[in-house]
Amino acid sequence: AQSVAQPEDQVNVAEGNPLTVKCTYSVSGNPYLFWYVQYPNRGLQFLLKYITGDNLVKGSYGFEAEFNKSQTSFHLKKPSALVSDSALYFCAVRERGSARQLTFGSGTQLTVLP
Amino acid sequence: DVKVTQSSRYLVKRTGEKVFLECVQDMDHENMFWYRQDPGLGLRLIYFSYDVKMKEKGDIPEGYSVSREKKERFSLILESASTNQTSMYLCASSFWGDGTGELFFGEGSRLTVL
Repeated sequence: AQSVAQPEDQVNVAEGNPLTVKCTYSVSGNPYLFWYVQYPNRGLQFLLKYITGDNLVKGSYGFEAEFNKSQTSFHLKKPSALVSDSALYFCAVRERGSARQLTFGSGTQLTVLP
Repeated sequence: DVKVTQSSRYLVKRTGEKVFLECVQDMDHENMFWYRQDPGLGLRLIYFSYDVKMKEKGDIPEGYSVSREKKERFSLILESASTNQTSMYLCASSFWGDGTGELFFGEGSRLTVL
């Protein structure tokens, strides 16, 4: 079985400061990991994914994420937050070689304060 | 760009009514998915399909059925709507290939059952 945990329902950060949104996962084998962003009353937009190789993955809008196999984590990061980054963020996992569907976390509401 | 189109953004139905939610994708993707999104619960998979006329139950299939008569179209059916099915419904599609593909989402259908 595959699962994802996002331990923080809400993250607040000041504009210009670095931000981190946390994600841990559980799979039996190796994971494919994804981050999505959702703006109010919209669908989810893909930000980035980890498939294999370099543990630091770069994505859209200046976001990056670091895969840590020993800690089973895939935290989303950005060096300098913008007010426009305020949105709902979802982490998702697919177990390599066995699943077609993604399993999503419960989401983290990011608020960037001006 | 991949486009996933959900037929209705907002619906209001009465308890006991039959409800159809339609989803069409234009990128010849094999996989299509229906998720529901509720605050604090993230996205939960209802059903998915990996080929025409094929369907697989997700985590919460009770009270729902699906139909995939053509590759580009995946319909979610609520045979007899109930108030606990009030939710945001998200359709998604993906290319299977080597299993690394991300999901592409529609804008969502917000269903209210009175």
